[in-house]
Amino acid sequence: ILNVEQSPQSLHVQEGDSTNFTCSFPSSNFYALHWYRWETAKSPEALFVMTLNGDEKKKGRISATLNTKEGYSYLYIKGSQPEDSATYLCAFIERLDTGNQFYFGTGTSLTVIP
Amino acid sequence: DSGVTQTPKHLITATGQRVTLRCSPRSGDLSVYWYQQSLDQGLQFLIQYYNGEERAKGNILERFSAQQFPDLHSELNLSSLELGDSALYFCASNPFLAYTGELFFGEGSRLTVL
Repeated sequence: ILNVEQSPQSLHVQEGDSTNFTCSFPSSNFYALHWYRWETAKSPEALFVMTLNGDEKKKGRISATLNTKEGYSYLYIKGSQPEDSATYLCAFIERLDTGNQFYFGTGTSLTVIP
Repeated sequence: DSGVTQTPKHLITATGQRVTLRCSPRSGDLSVYWYQQSLDQGLQFLIQYYNGEERAKGNILERFSAQQFPDLHSELNLSSLELGDSALYFCASNPFLAYTGELFFGEGSRLTVL
């Protein structure tokens, strides 16, 4: 069983604070790493698709970095807003002969307090 | 709107019964994944189909089965239901096997077994 671990499990921050989460994954058979944002009562939506070691992606106040050699990715949120409240999932994509497999972490639940 | 359609959105049934969940992937997507999300659990991979063929199996119980039809829609059949099968079942799609891009998720089917 392939383990993808996310920490912390949950997080409460004040509006305006910056925060970050970690996704740890195996360093072998790496193909890609995804971050998804999952709002309550909705379906997960992709934030970032990262494929190369050293990748840094940014979308507004949210950014992510990737280290495939040591098997981790960080997601940063600068100046958190209440609308950032959601569960953030990472997915490790393993390359297999049968096709790519997606392994999801259990997510980090972020609550931004106004 | 991801373009992935799942029906029904909600389903309540009794132990021992059988249900079928349906998924229509995004237009043109050949690969369909089924995931289960139970209380306090992450997204658990159940099974993947590609262009009508089963490609990978995850933690899918023997009481569960799935298929993908020539029109690429997929059905997940859950039988001899138990209380523990109550969960949110997601379908996701993407274009092809080696695709490193994001999964597109449906809104999920919430199954309650009483």
